[in-house]
Amino acid sequence: AQKITQTQPGMFVQEKEAVTLDCTYDTSDQSYGLFWYKQPSSGEMIFLIYQGSYDEQNATEGRYSLNFQKARKSANLVISASQLGDSAMYFCARGGSQGNLIFGKGTKLSVKP
Amino acid sequence: NAGVTQTPKFQVLKTGQSMTLQCAQDMNHNSMYWYRQDPGMGLRLIYYSASEGTTDKGEVPNGYNVSRLNKREFSLRLESAAPSQTSVYFCASTQRPPLHFGNGTRLTVT
Repeated sequence: AQKITQTQPGMFVQEKEAVTLDCTYDTSDQSYGLFWYKQPSSGEMIFLIYQGSYDEQNATEGRYSLNFQKARKSANLVISASQLGDSAMYFCARGGSQGNLIFGKGTKLSVKP
Repeated sequence: NAGVTQTPKFQVLKTGQSMTLQCAQDMNHNSMYWYRQDPGMGLRLIYYSASEGTTDKGEVPNGYNVSRLNKREFSLRLESAAPSQTSVYFCASTQRPPLHFGNGTRLTVT
């Protein structure tokens, strides 16, 4: 199975600092998409950011940026200026062949005041 | 604009009971999906429907059936619930990336 690997089960970051959440993926496809979702303690899945495999520039959405290294098959999420509200589970995902998403197991981020 | 609506939000079943989880989207999306989320496992695809009238198995389909009732609605049925089906179930839809998720159904089977 083509996997998504998130090696950090849990991370701590000080408020206002930047944090990088790691994600590596398997694929033999030439064209694919990479996604990050946030799941707060309330449980909903919130889409954060998308990167296409042919996009030349790294994706950015406000305080979120995706550090995409195609040759290394990595798609790390960078959150700048962390806020207390950023405490949540974060899931990396890759687009599947049926329009579905294949998810990693997630990283629990805790922001300390 | 409600997006993806799942009902119920919570459910407790006894082993062997049946139930149907409902999902409806108002975004005119062609594709709909059912995922389950277990602690430490991420989200795993149960079934999907690429378009009205079609359904296909995902990664973990055993013990489930689905119906794509129309373009809006995609239901998930547990015919004989088992404790291993205790999970949080998410419905999602898309026309093109990303997937839009409902708020989930927390199911406990005792």
